[in-house]
Amino acid sequence: DIQMTQSPSSVSASVGDRVTITCRASQGINNWLAWYQQRPGKAPELLVRAASDLQSEVPSHFSAGGSGTDYTLTIRNLQPEDVATYYCQQAYRFPPTFGQGTKVEIK
Amino acid sequence: QLQLQESGPGVVKPSETLSLTCSVSGGSLSSSRYYWGWIRQSPGKGLEWLATIYYAGNTYYNPSLEGRVTIAADTTKNVFSLRLTSVTAADTAVYFCARHLSSWYDPDSWGQGTLVIVSS
Repeated sequence: DIQMTQSPSSVSASVGDRVTITCRASQGINNWLAWYQQRPGKAPELLVRAASDLQSEVPSHFSAGGSGTDYTLTIRNLQPEDVATYYCQQAYRFPPTFGQGTKVEIK
Repeated sequence: QLQLQESGPGVVKPSETLSLTCSVSGGSLSSSRYYWGWIRQSPGKGLEWLATIYYAGNTYYNPSLEGRVTIAADTTKNVFSLRLTSVTAADTAVYFCARHLSSWYDPDSWGQGTLVIVSS
C-alpha cells in the first residue's frame, strides 16, 4: 500500500495567519490526491479532489496543489471555523490510503 | 438534500459479526453516478477505507480486511449494509457510510458515524 505522511502533526496559528500542510506519498501518485476537513465531533468533509480542485462550497481562502509525491493544502487568512483536523488521501493505487492527519488550532 | 444515517449495535463481542446499515434519503442508491461505501476511523489506525458498492452490483473491498467484509445494497429500501466477521478489539472504531464520486475514492457526502466497540 502507498503510505501517506503529513506534516506537521499539529499547528497552532493566529487568526489571519497562513497555514500550510504537507502530504508526502511513498511513491508518485500523479495528482490522485484528495484533502478532507474534519471538524471536532463531525464526519470528514471532502475539500479537494485531484490535488487542486476545490469542491464548490469550499471557501476561497483554501488552496491546494503539488505534484509527484509532494502535495500541499494552504489556508490563507486562518479563520476560527477552520479549526479542524485535515487529512490527505491517495487514490492512485488500490486500496486508497489516508495520511495520519494534521490538527489546526487557533492560538 | 442527501442524508446518510448509520445504524447498528454499539457493542459487539469478539469473534462475532458486526452488522451495520446505512439509510439514504434525498438520493437514490440506483443512481448510476455514484458509489456507496464504508470508511472507519480508530485512534490506532486513523481513517481506513473499507468497501464500496455500485447499483449494478460491483463491489470493492480493502484487501487488509482479508475477506472478512461484505457490502450489500437494497435499492428498493434505499439502504446498504456492511458485515464484518470475526471481529477483534482492532475493529473498534467509528464507522461512517458515505457516497463516493468514483468506485473507491472521493467520498463527498458522509453520515455522522456510529461508534462500534468490540468487547466481551
